[in-house]
Amino acid sequence: KNEVEQSPQNLTAQEGEFITINCSYSVGISALHWLQQHPGGGIVSLFMLSSGKKKHGRLIATINIQEKHSSLHITASHPRDSAVYICAETGGGADGLTFGKGTHLIIQP
Amino acid sequence: NAGVMQNPRHLVRRRGQEARLRCSPMKGHSHVYWYRQLPEEGLKFMVYLQKENIIDESGMPKERFSAEFPKEGPSILRIQQVVRGDSAAYFCASSPQRREKLFFGSGTQLSVL
Repeated sequence: KNEVEQSPQNLTAQEGEFITINCSYSVGISALHWLQQHPGGGIVSLFMLSSGKKKHGRLIATINIQEKHSSLHITASHPRDSAVYICAETGGGADGLTFGKGTHLIIQP
Repeated sequence: NAGVMQNPRHLVRRRGQEARLRCSPMKGHSHVYWYRQLPEEGLKFMVYLQKENIIDESGMPKERFSAEFPKEGPSILRIQQVVRGDSAAYFCASSPQRREKLFFGSGTQLSVL
């Protein structure tokens, strides 16, 4: 069974800083997902990727298949980016996601 | 195009009662997934269904829990004889095809007294 590790667990930064959240997994995957969970509990899927890099607005997700590692970057961070960011994967023929424990991000004004 | 709709948003049950959680996927989505988030824990996969079929229920507890996704109507996650340990947020997600990007509902917060 795949294990998904995220770091850091908690991150507090100032508005405008460049943010990086890391995710590593133990066995091969078919896809890597980045999710955002707001303080109210709602979950939004940010990215789904299996290779390379994807960009949406100020968010960038990268994945290195050989190193079994993915990163989520936030440029020009803003207090509204404060949320829990969760890495999840599907692999080995499974359909359900296996989740990391999440990174609790706080952006201070 | 409405998103994934879950209801109720909050559900309070006493020990031993039944809980029914509903999920209407996005229009055009025939793949539904249920996930559970226990207090202070991460999300865990429970079950994956396509219309009228359970495809993967490897994350479902063996007893008291069942799920269905009928031809007409929402997907239902049913928990019989609830216990305090069932208190959690239950999220439903849907996708248009298998293993595509997921769209999540707002979740149902189940509290067992």
